[in-house]
Amino acid sequence: NAGVTQTPKFRVLKTGQSMTLLCAQDMNHEYMYWYRQDPGMGLRLIHYSVGEGTTAKGEVPDGYNVSRLKKQNFLLGLESAAPSQTSVYFCASDRTGTGVSYEQYFGPGTRLTVT
Amino acid sequence: ILNVEQSPQSLHVQEGDSTNFTCSFPSSNFYALHWYRWETAKSPEALFVMTLNGDEKKKGRISATLNTKEGYSYLYIKGSQPEDSATYLCAFSWADKLIFGTGTRLQVFP
Repeated sequence: NAGVTQTPKFRVLKTGQSMTLLCAQDMNHEYMYWYRQDPGMGLRLIHYSVGEGTTAKGEVPDGYNVSRLKKQNFLLGLESAAPSQTSVYFCASDRTGTGVSYEQYFGPGTRLTVT
Repeated sequence: ILNVEQSPQSLHVQEGDSTNFTCSFPSSNFYALHWYRWETAKSPEALFVMTLNGDEKKKGRISATLNTKEGYSYLYIKGSQPEDSATYLCAFSWADKLIFGTGTRLQVFP
């Protein structure tokens, strides 16, 4: 049982390049989330999904897109990377499916630098 | 605007000291309050989930209390050890999301 995994662990992009971050969970969780973590800002929600085929915007969705084609995977895409997207990205999944988030399990993070 | 506030922002204590932090959250439409421990270069790990007013949870030397009527929770660490050094995050369940505070960074010096 690997829990929540993220690929890649590190990436350096040039401004304007695109990339996709992959989050995978093997716990059969319905809910999945993408956060970014910046110094002094805590964890900010980018997008999330409450089930396969569904996505919703979080607090800071601009510049990102997501897809949840399979229950176990949640993809975060940057179509045209900007230096402001330099951050550490965390994925999380939640074991509940009752409309309330009760316990989130986090992946190890992806450190992204945009130059 | 939903806001979760944590204080202090950072704390430096000596090994053996006991310490506590505060989390303030909206008291209306309460579902659950979470505490996470987040070590540098690792991912956040859940410490406690509390749902009922007056809840008290304990794990080893760490405990937490909850007051949903006034919208606050305290996290206590008894006899701090260097391995307790981490950022402690508080989060409030808002429907299918968690709203996080910015955390209290604890450093315990030997």
